[in-house]
Amino acid sequence: AQSVAQPEDQVNVAEGNPLTVKCTYSVSGNPYLFWYVQYPNRGLQFLLKYITGDNLVKGSYGFEAEFNKSQTSFHLKKPSALVSDSALYFCAVRPPGGGNKLTFGTGTQLKVEL
Amino acid sequence: GAVVSQHPSWVICKSGTSVKIECRSLDFQATTMFWYRQFPKQSLMLMATSNEGSKATYEQGVEKDKFLINHASLTLSTLTVTSAHPEDSSFYICSATPGQGRNEQFFGPGTRLTVL
Repeated sequence: AQSVAQPEDQVNVAEGNPLTVKCTYSVSGNPYLFWYVQYPNRGLQFLLKYITGDNLVKGSYGFEAEFNKSQTSFHLKKPSALVSDSALYFCAVRPPGGGNKLTFGTGTQLKVEL
Repeated sequence: GAVVSQHPSWVICKSGTSVKIECRSLDFQATTMFWYRQFPKQSLMLMATSNEGSKATYEQGVEKDKFLINHASLTLSTLTVTSAHPEDSSFYICSATPGQGRNEQFFGPGTRLTVL
């Protein structure tokens, strides 16, 4: 069975500094990987996905993520954080050939401060 | 594009009553819709997968007679929480997949259910 781990419950960053939200996965075969963001009392918004191709994936709002097969990681990054980036971030994995069912990590609360 | 709506956005009901939540894909046809449940400060837990015109597939531990799912058209799925109790209070989120090679799920804004 596939699983996703987000080792940090919360990440604090100063505005303007780079941010990283960590994600590691466990799945057989080549996974499909996703990042979503959730603002309070709202549904999830799609940020980016990795299916195949370049390991560095660029997404919405200046976010990017790097797929690292050897480390089974898919960390979310942004070069310069904004206060408005403060939200709950979820990493998710979909196994190849597994339909569209997603398995989510436990989420990481990002707090960007002035 | 790829907008998913949910109605209502919040609902408060008395214990023992049933509540219906609608999930609509507004600008695309959704071959598959998913229903999730999210407790405070926790991740999304998949409850069931719904394909248009067929019975929903429920995850282990989810009572199909309590959480009735109907996917009558390619743009509408409903979740009915029957005989709701306070422990059913939660944030319910649906998502929809366009299919046809598009892999991402598009999520609705969620419905906050509070059972008194």
